[in-house]
Amino acid sequence: DADVTQTPRNRITKTGKRIMLECSQTKGHDRMYWYRQDPGLGLRLIYYSFDVKDINKGEISDGYSVSRQAQAKFSLSLESAIPNQTALYFCATSDLSGQPQHFGDGTRLSIL
Amino acid sequence: RKEVEQDPGPFNVPEGATVAFNCTYSNSASQSFFWYRQDCRKEPKLLMSVYSSGNEDGRFTAQLNRASQYISLLIRDSKLSDSATYLCVGSGYSTLTFGKGTMLLVSP
Repeated sequence: DADVTQTPRNRITKTGKRIMLECSQTKGHDRMYWYRQDPGLGLRLIYYSFDVKDINKGEISDGYSVSRQAQAKFSLSLESAIPNQTALYFCATSDLSGQPQHFGDGTRLSIL
Repeated sequence: RKEVEQDPGPFNVPEGATVAFNCTYSNSASQSFFWYRQDCRKEPKLLMSVYSSGNEDGRFTAQLNRASQYISLLIRDSKLSDSATYLCVGSGYSTLTFGKGTMLLVSP
């Protein structure tokens, strides 16, 4: 089983819909992250969390919200999806500051 | 100014060639650096960590030059399977900062 699992793997939905992307990990890491990746723009950090009671905005948090339900679970929500949120979304985890991050397989999200 | 900058490439090389990528970073407080490999539409995977002056892992050598604030990745004896995008990563104030990546294409 993968250490960092994202669901769903693919999602096509319509403008205005609420969408939740889920991430769970078995690595025992405290830190979790959500990124989006667009062609030519690289990975951009949306939100991150250093423990269950900690939520921090990243570079591009507008239009997104997150919930850290447990150490192992970190979900990303799009309250009202818009087409420019079409992207590849990655969840990642890490142990301590400065340590490498470990990525899930990604979620391909298309908003029509 | 971008915190981590890389030449996007693509670098087109024949099998067996040696290829080097450079990456510059602007945060002089960065303590740790990494190279990740990303295949098309797949997740980034850690290739190497670069904690001090550099390190080597088989055909791959990473070097860190703190004075000039750049990191390099050298790939010797390139394989077709090395074709991918290579992401340079530096530690930021509380998270990691990813470069946009350098694409490598190895041809027969």
